[in-house]
Amino acid sequence: QKEVEQNSGPLSVPEGAIASLNCTYSDRGSQSFFWYRQYSGKSPELIMFIYSNGDKEDGRFTAQLNKASQYVSLLIRDSQPSDSATYLCAVQGGNNRLAFGKGNQVVVIP
Amino acid sequence: SAVISQKPSRDICQRGTSLTIQCQVDSQVTMMFWYRQQPGQSLTLIATANQGSEATYESGFVIDKFPISRPNLTFSTLTVSNMSPEDSSIYLCSVEGAGGRGGYTFGSGTRLTVV
Repeated sequence: QKEVEQNSGPLSVPEGAIASLNCTYSDRGSQSFFWYRQYSGKSPELIMFIYSNGDKEDGRFTAQLNKASQYVSLLIRDSQPSDSATYLCAVQGGNNRLAFGKGNQVVVIP
Repeated sequence: SAVISQKPSRDICQRGTSLTIQCQVDSQVTMMFWYRQQPGQSLTLIATANQGSEATYESGFVIDKFPISRPNLTFSTLTVSNMSPEDSSIYLCSVEGAGGRGGYTFGSGTRLTVV
């Protein structure tokens, strides 16, 4: 079992809609969870982090964490063409190591 | 968050040669991390570099192939040795965010092509 799994294929959403991304992790002791956005040819950029169960909102982004189910999600509301990118889920385990999922490509269609 | 200068941004290298990648951080940091991102793939941690001690390598990565230096708290280098086309990847350095819980910042990356 991979440490961090993002199983959904490319996600196409119309402009203004909600994009929903999911991530599961295997290390039950993980404490910190991150979502990164990566534009093609660029390095990852942190957009959200969450440590506690429940929801965390920042602008158009909402991260949701359920430690019992080992599940993290990201919602992007009012999707814009500039949100078109690959979104990487990352989980921090022991020794401050970050393990990344393979990412989900989001395409926002104008 | 910390600002990281990484260079070179890209290089095309001959098989069998070595390339050293540099990362300079604008503030002192305890740990620096080196990642590899192969084409179409996610990020894989190569090693963690601590100042004053040997780097800690992840499974599948060895010091002879990826020697790392960490001479001070703001600088690190990663060398990709005896390169083969399979080493063609993007290499990224990263540091932990402020307060240890603010996420990680990445350098701009080095796109390496081995021919």
